[in-house]
Amino acid sequence: SAVISQKPSRDICQRGTSLTIQCQVDSQVTMMFWYRQQPGQSLTLIATANQGSEATYESGFVIDKFPISRPNLTFSTLTVSNMSPEDSSIYLCSVAPSGANVLTFGAGSRLTVL
Amino acid sequence: DAKTTQPPSMDCAEGRAANLPCNHSTISGNEYVYWYRQIHSQGPQYIIHGLKNNETNEMASLIITEDRKSSTLILPHATLRDTAVYYCIVRVPAGTALIFGKGTTLSVSS
Repeated sequence: SAVISQKPSRDICQRGTSLTIQCQVDSQVTMMFWYRQQPGQSLTLIATANQGSEATYESGFVIDKFPISRPNLTFSTLTVSNMSPEDSSIYLCSVAPSGANVLTFGAGSRLTVL
Repeated sequence: DAKTTQPPSMDCAEGRAANLPCNHSTISGNEYVYWYRQIHSQGPQYIIHGLKNNETNEMASLIITEDRKSSTLILPHATLRDTAVYYCIVRVPAGTALIFGKGTTLSVSS
């Protein structure tokens, strides 16, 4: 299965700032997914990021707040913009290697907004 | 919305089998049943998946009813390290994300 590296693993940020989370995969993958996990909650899908096309956002998530880049088949970034304390969550990326039926997850990026 | 129903919590004694149920009465013919778990503060970990036949791997067994409306994940000899939130998810494998429900919190005690 694919090995995913997420950076940063955790960060503490000030209200009103932005943070970019990186997701690096050790193999080429077609589809990447970004999730948010608020404290004590389950995972919620933010968007699907395919290389060469705009990300597709789920209901309740907008590009201005969570811009995503997918420059190649092994890398993606998620930016959390104009942060507020409500954005304090774990953000996870997940990949679906081509031909594989199993999604793999990164360890997550724990974000605390003060 | 998640298409599965799971009990919010279960307890299991160490060394005993843990049987985690899942209802998916609206499952479509091309949807598979996936099980993942999330140990505290880690990313979700794949356990097993199946379409209609029972499946077994080194981690667990998956029993799917004949009508496919429910399934059971079996951890044959639970250990303390199996304490986690277990998610049952139905999904069409090709090109779709996993949609998580609330899962079952399994607590294994000695």
